[in-house]
Amino acid sequence: NAGVTQTPKFQVLKTGQSMTLQCAQDMNHEYMSWYRQDPGMGLRLIHYSVGAGITDQGEVPNGYNVSRSTTEDFPLRLLSAAPSQTSVYFCASSYSEFMNTEAFFGQGTRLTVV
Amino acid sequence: KQEVTQIPAALSVPEGENLVLNCSFTDSAIYNLQWFRQDPGKGLTSLLLIQSSQREQTSGRLNASLDKSSGRSTLYIAASQPGDSATYLCAVTSNAGKSTFGDGTTLTVKP
Repeated sequence: NAGVTQTPKFQVLKTGQSMTLQCAQDMNHEYMSWYRQDPGMGLRLIHYSVGAGITDQGEVPNGYNVSRSTTEDFPLRLLSAAPSQTSVYFCASSYSEFMNTEAFFGQGTRLTVV
Repeated sequence: KQEVTQIPAALSVPEGENLVLNCSFTDSAIYNLQWFRQDPGKGLTSLLLIQSSQREQTSGRLNASLDKSSGRSTLYIAASQPGDSATYLCAVTSNAGKSTFGDGTTLTVKP
């Protein structure tokens, strides 16, 4: 089925470990973004990309890196995991930027840092 | 800084009832507003997108309205069903392109 695919669905990390959350979409969307969802804080934008080779910071970028080498893929890297990064992470894509059109979300990655 | 508030945080209604979910925002200089549905353990599904120049959008039993001047949007669900049980979030995108989400309203429709 067409859509946004995130892997893994669940992950437990130890403090200081690094990992990459994968995100892929097959809708040829130019705009992709990463959010984290925490109770009482809504969804907050981490990084976004308006096309291959172009990325920019969102509201809470510290501790995370992204790259966009292809239109389809937008991985999120945690450089040195901290307990404060325990959250549910969502990748989203849309035809144009800033949610100007319908946004499609992946199923999320539930990350626990111990 | 844009703030988006959704009240109530939780709502429980009997099946068949019509209901209204509320979303308020502090900065009226918005580009659009989008309503999403989120099922437990799942991602968000877009329900309705209202551009700033529009007053409302309809899809099936759902109707969303937008009043920019008062900073309010409502999502009306007609003839609610148990399958409508989920968390409903609104997201406001500013003219500068930044999207701000509310915390959502968790709806339970009892058979």
